[in-house]
Amino acid sequence: EAQVTQNPRYLITVTGKKLTVTCSQNMNHEYMSWYRQDPGLGLRQIYYSMNVEVTDKGDVPEGYKVSRKEKRNFPLILESPSPNQTSLYFCASSFGGGNTIYFGEGSWLTVV
Amino acid sequence: AQSVTQPDIHITVSEGASLELRCNYSYGATPYLFWYVQSPGQGLQLLLKYFSGDTLVLGIKGFEAEFKRSQSSFNLRKPSVHWSDAAEYFCAVGAKLVFGKGMKLTVNP
Repeated sequence: EAQVTQNPRYLITVTGKKLTVTCSQNMNHEYMSWYRQDPGLGLRQIYYSMNVEVTDKGDVPEGYKVSRKEKRNFPLILESPSPNQTSLYFCASSFGGGNTIYFGEGSWLTVV
Repeated sequence: AQSVTQPDIHITVSEGASLELRCNYSYGATPYLFWYVQSPGQGLQLLLKYFSGDTLVLGIKGFEAEFKRSQSSFNLRKPSVHWSDAAEYFCAVGAKLVFGKGMKLTVNP
């Protein structure tokens, strides 16, 4: 079954404690992306990757890092989380171009 | 730059009524256009997409959308709304998916 898997699904953490949200897809997709969803703001892109070792900033990259060492994985790293990063995060993947983009189920992150 | 505008933040309709959700986009070329739906507490589900060809696109759950290049619009429609359609709806444009801010649909019995 085609899947984009994110972990953890729910996390409460403290300010400044580094955390990683993992994302893995089993469809051999080249393109992967991270979004955050906040009320009234829709989904905003954080980072995206067109292929292994190729990443670029989205609209709201500040405070986040990513890496793409393998095709299937695209972890989102918060080196020093702050309360304004409390949000719902989605990972997505596709073959690129206009192909269908598949989303993970989302990760609820709360930073206190 | 790519952008999407969904002018309506919240719409309330009665069950059985028709529905039209507006989406306007800004894009430099022929766009890829998408509508996604998010039910409460759920992830995102693709309703339909437009790449090229017929400007009327049929999607899942009885939804359709029409691409109008002259108006830079991609409005979503449904002839008869069901209570289960209550959700948040997002229009998106481009290969990298630039989303609008979303529109919450409430359905009254």
